[in-house]
Amino acid sequence: DGGITQSPKYLFRKEGQNVTLSCEQNLNHDAMYWYRQDPGQGLRLIYYSQIVNDFQKGDIAEGYSVSREKKESFPLTVTSAQKNPTAFYLCASSTLRTTNEKLFFGSGTQLSVL
Amino acid sequence: GIQVEQSPPDLILQEGANSTLRCNFSDSVNNLQWFHQNPWGQLINLFYIPSGTKQNGRLSATTVATERYSLLYISSSQTTDSGVYFCAALYGGATNKLIFGTGTLLAVQP
Repeated sequence: DGGITQSPKYLFRKEGQNVTLSCEQNLNHDAMYWYRQDPGQGLRLIYYSQIVNDFQKGDIAEGYSVSREKKESFPLTVTSAQKNPTAFYLCASSTLRTTNEKLFFGSGTQLSVL
Repeated sequence: GIQVEQSPPDLILQEGANSTLRCNFSDSVNNLQWFHQNPWGQLINLFYIPSGTKQNGRLSATTVATERYSLLYISSSQTTDSGVYFCAALYGGATNKLIFGTGTLLAVQP
């Protein structure tokens, strides 16, 4: 089945530790995105990538890093510099044939701090 | 940048009732989408609707771009409709950066 797979579903981070969230898509989408969702809030854009080996900062990129070595994969690293990492993280993808394409989401990763 | 506001912030319905959710945006958009987030966190794309009206089963959406609002109609609501409904509008020229509203939390009671 085509879709977006995020793993793990739950992740715990110790203070000072970097953790990496996985996002894989088999939809052949060009663009991939990472969003952060805090309880009772909307989604805020962390990073996005429109092409392999290129990515752009979103609105809240500080304390996060990404890579896009393959079209299918867009992992997000939450670094120790991110002082408030507890949140629900959502990966999304879309085509870039036009600017008016639908966005599709993975099932999310809940990150908590120990 | 575009501001996206949704109302009401939360809503409780009895099963079978109808409802209307509203999304206001601060600037002209060429991409407006509605999403449903179920209680397990999964976001499902309901509509891509920059203008006009679309229907999908018991759900329909209307966007009046000239007046900068969109409406999501839910008819004959079911308990499975519960969750959070987000609208999102395109921001930033040619890039596909959607700005999300803060959502409407819907609870449908049996």
